[in-house]
This record gives sequence, structure tokens and C-alpha cells, in this order.
Amino acid sequence: QKEVEQNSGPLSVPEGAIASLNCTYSDRGSQSFFWYRQYSGKSPELIMFIYSNGDKEDGRFTAQLNKASQYVSLLIRDSQPSDSATYLCAVSSGGSYIPTFGRGTSLIVHP
Amino acid sequence: ETGVTQSPTHLIKTRGQQVTLRCSSQSGHNTVSWYQQALGQGPQFIFQYYREEENGRGNFPPRFSGLQFPNYSSELNVNALELDDSALYLCASNSQEGGETQYFGPGTRLLVL
Repeated sequence: QKEVEQNSGPLSVPEGAIASLNCTYSDRGSQSFFWYRQYSGKSPELIMFIYSNGDKEDGRFTAQLNKASQYVSLLIRDSQPSDSATYLCAVSSGGSYIPTFGRGTSLIVHP
Repeated sequence: ETGVTQSPTHLIKTRGQQVTLRCSSQSGHNTVSWYQQALGQGPQFIFQYYREEENGRGNFPPRFSGLQFPNYSSELNVNALELDDSALYLCASNSQEGGETQYFGPGTRLLVL
């Protein structure tokens, strides 16, 4: 059974700091990796996706993928209180189009 | 806003009843996936429809069934509702030819009493 593990948190960081969110996965055949943000009571919103080993940057967000170690991380630079949400990691095998989600990590950015 | 819509937004049912949830996919998307998200958990995959055919199913009993229509909108039907069916039901759409990134609708929150 494919598993995606995330620490449920909460992860608490001060405003302006770097928040680091981690995710590990069990299926070595996984090829696509997604990070979603979910505010309380709302649906998940796509932040980033990454397919290749290394880093991918988009504004304040950086996704890091290490397939050999089977982990993917999300860094949020200059964290803002508006970044406070649950961050979901999702992983899918190539061509399946059916991602497996982790349970999410709750992030709290305090002023 | 993703362009994926769901109805209704909220629903209250009693145990044993049946419910139908609806989803309209984003323009250009031919694939719809349904997820159940219980409080404090990640979305759990129920099933996926691609061009009106079921394209994969998660670990849910047969009382969870679905349809996809020629315009790629979709329905999720749940029979014989149980208390544990109370959850946020999410619909996500994508185009398999354009990439597998899924975009979620706002969800339907179902409460079973």
C-alpha cells in the first residue's frame, strides 16, 4: 500500500522566518509530487508540483525532491501569518493520475 | 478559484438515507476524481472517472458509486449512509492529456446524524 507520511504538527514559526515542511513516501515508483495548501474549512489549493530531483522555486516557495531518500520538502521563506494553514503533500506514480495524500502538516505563523 | 464547482455546499442527512453530490469540472478537463476528507485527515481517494469510464477506485465499499456525463461533470452517490460518512467530499478535475495536476472544487460538507 502506498503511503505518504507527514508530521501533523503544528509547526510554529515566527513571522519572517523560514518554514520547512517535510514529507516521505513509500512507493519508489513515484514520479510526481505535489504540495497543496488548505485553509481551515476550505478545499486544497495547489501551491507547487515537482517531478525532477533537486529544487524548484516559485516566489517564496521552494520544493525539494530527493528520490533516493524518498522525501520531498517545502520551504516557505519570509513566512507570513497568512501562510498559516495545513499543507498537504501528494504523490503519484507516473501515468496513474491518482495521487496519494498525506494527512497534512499544520503551520502556524505568529506575528 | 479553480473553475471546479460542487453542489450542494452543505448537507445534513440521517443514517440509512441516500445522497447525491455533484461536480462540474474545469473547462477543458476530462477527468474527475472524488475524495473523502475526514476531520484532521488528508483526502482519501474514492474513485476517478475519465471520459465517462471509471478509471480507478480506492478502498471504499460499493455503496459509494459515481457517474460521469458527456460534458465531464460528475456525480457521487452514497447509499445507506453511516455516521462515519460525515466528512468533506472533494471533487478534483484535470486533463490527462494536459497533465495530471488536479484542481479541487470547494467541497461538500456532509453531516450524517
